[in-house]
Amino acid sequence: DTGVSQDPRHKITKRGQNVTFRCDPISEHNRLYWYRQTLGQGPEFLTYFQNEAQLEKSRLLSDRFSAERPKGSFSTLEIQRTEQGDSAMYLCASRTGIEAFFGQGTRLTVV
Amino acid sequence: SQQGEEDPQALSIQEGENATMNCSYKTSINNLQWYRQNSGRGLVHLILIRSNEREKHSGRLRVTLDTSKKSSSLLITASRAADTASYFCARGGKLIFGQGTELSVKP
Repeated sequence: DTGVSQDPRHKITKRGQNVTFRCDPISEHNRLYWYRQTLGQGPEFLTYFQNEAQLEKSRLLSDRFSAERPKGSFSTLEIQRTEQGDSAMYLCASRTGIEAFFGQGTRLTVV
Repeated sequence: SQQGEEDPQALSIQEGENATMNCSYKTSINNLQWYRQNSGRGLVHLILIRSNEREKHSGRLRVTLDTSKKSSSLLITASRAADTASYFCARGGKLIFGQGTELSVKP
């Protein structure tokens, strides 16, 4: 257990539905990251927060994706109008120094 | 693609043998990190090497960095079945990951 928790661990949803994932980072970590990982690939950067400010968003992140980190604590990642191509593992990581600590991920399946 | 290149994509060895994985990248770096991911789980940090270092050791791990060739390698010595996992290099503040090497260590 790295101290970063993600909820839910698994989510199956129908195409077109909205889903929201939560990440609770290690409490003293000011930086929080979201990644998407598909089978056989490395994690792809989606977005990153320093405290409550969203500092960068990947071009991979379409308008259907939004992330928040109210009060610089936990973060949520919402996907609206899900598509089958959104099926992936969504990973959250936090850090204060160089080493990042990852959660176990939320596996999303869009049917 | 965000990702750099790692090779091999898959590596299968016997317990006790050494495993070497390579990572190449395109932009200059301040440091490079290696992470391990067990099947279907989160990533765990293994080792960091800074741009002014050429080699670093941690237990059975040895990492080298050649900034002139923009490449790094991870060597796992005396491998164990428990080393079976995917290994990724990552660089930059956003942690840009390579595609990874899937290592299988057979008992």
